[in-house]
Amino acid sequence: DAKTTQPPSMDCAEGRAANLPCNHSTISGNEYVYWYRQIHSQGPQYIIHGLKNNETNEMASLIITEDRKSSTLILPHATLRDTAVYYCIVRVARGARQLTFGSGTQLTVLP
Amino acid sequence: DAGVIQSPRHEVTEMGQEVTLRCKPISGHDYLFWYRQTMMRGLELLIYFNNNVPIDDSGMPEDRFSAKMPNASFSTLKIQPSEPRDSAVYFCASRDTGQGSSGYTFGSGTRLTVV
Repeated sequence: DAKTTQPPSMDCAEGRAANLPCNHSTISGNEYVYWYRQIHSQGPQYIIHGLKNNETNEMASLIITEDRKSSTLILPHATLRDTAVYYCIVRVARGARQLTFGSGTQLTVLP
Repeated sequence: DAGVIQSPRHEVTEMGQEVTLRCKPISGHDYLFWYRQTMMRGLELLIYFNNNVPIDDSGMPEDRFSAKMPNASFSTLKIQPSEPRDSAVYFCASRDTGQGSSGYTFGSGTRLTVV
């Protein structure tokens, strides 16, 4: 899996967009960008993933730069329940086995 | 679907005692993973199984730890004897091969405290 770099912590006001960056300058052509999050006292939860096009689902949007060396996870209207640690993981879609977690970004949504 | 079910949610035990953590994966998932989470080391993989067979146990810290998967619907992680440094949250996760890297589903974890 390619190495990723995330800020250790970020704050966001409730109702505003939360933009979480991730750098992955050594990403390979067949590697995807995955985002998981871990709410306190719970197991990690899948959010979204993408290869090179921007992606959107009911939880979030994922913006990947054209050179694929960085990406941003966007929570469009953050709520208090979005307070969690967000993990950016770069890996192949299939064939790999275990999921390896870095330190992630602690997002705190403030009232 | 009830998701990945772990038991117990909390376990407090004395040093030297045997501890057994349990996991029921999602039906049909052919991969099962055991992770440990601490403040110092974050989330680290201990062992994983494919079709009930242990594939990689290189993350198991030492011989005091053992894991089994006797059938597709049940796995255990045992620590014997337990030590205070084993205190952590232990997560079980399962995945279906066809889902790829987006398909990991984690349980709610077992918080183990060894005193």
